[in-house]
Amino acid sequence: DTAVSQTPKYLVTQMGNDKSIKCEQNLGHDTMYWYKQDSKKFLKIMFSYNNKELIINETVPNRFSPKSPDKAHLNLHINSLELGDSAVYFCASSPGPVSYEQYFGPGTRLTVT
Amino acid sequence: QKEVEQNSGPLSVPEGAIASLNCTYSDRVSQSFFWYRQYSGKSPELIMSIYSNGDKEDGRFTAQLNKASQYVSLLIRDSQPSDSATYLCAVNVGDYKLSFGAGTTVTVRA
Repeated sequence: DTAVSQTPKYLVTQMGNDKSIKCEQNLGHDTMYWYKQDSKKFLKIMFSYNNKELIINETVPNRFSPKSPDKAHLNLHINSLELGDSAVYFCASSPGPVSYEQYFGPGTRLTVT
Repeated sequence: QKEVEQNSGPLSVPEGAIASLNCTYSDRVSQSFFWYRQYSGKSPELIMSIYSNGDKEDGRFTAQLNKASQYVSLLIRDSQPSDSATYLCAVNVGDYKLSFGAGTTVTVRA
């Protein structure tokens, strides 16, 4: 069984569209995260959720709206997509705050044309 | 100053040699330190975590932490071609945030 899964794996869309990425973890973890990895491979935190509650919003444009319906799921909705949103988005989870190891999903490669 | 800095690569080592990766961090109160391996086109995979000063060994990997110097390193002994990847250093900045370095790309020459 996949511990942290994301759908879709690839997403190609046009500027101005709205898209969503879904993430699920079956590890029983309390904390989930969204990261963005740009073309230079720099990995940057976007959001942290603990027990469905938003803990960290790392100055992400409000076109990005995360949503956690339950502890096992964290989705990311992006409005009015821009060229600069093209990147790989990773979901991750950990048992609790970051003193615990984080486990990453396979990533969603978003390409905005 | 960046929160986490890694020695710039790429690092090329012959098979069987030791690869040494370095990382410094700026937040003195950081308590948790991680090394992730990322193969091209794949997600980061946790290979080591370290929380106390000193060395921690796991197979061919050794992590070393020196909080006074704000320095953490990763040694890969008996390097194999399968170790060719980008290695990311990560440090906690607060309870719910990991800050990652830019990564060091390692190539092991057969």
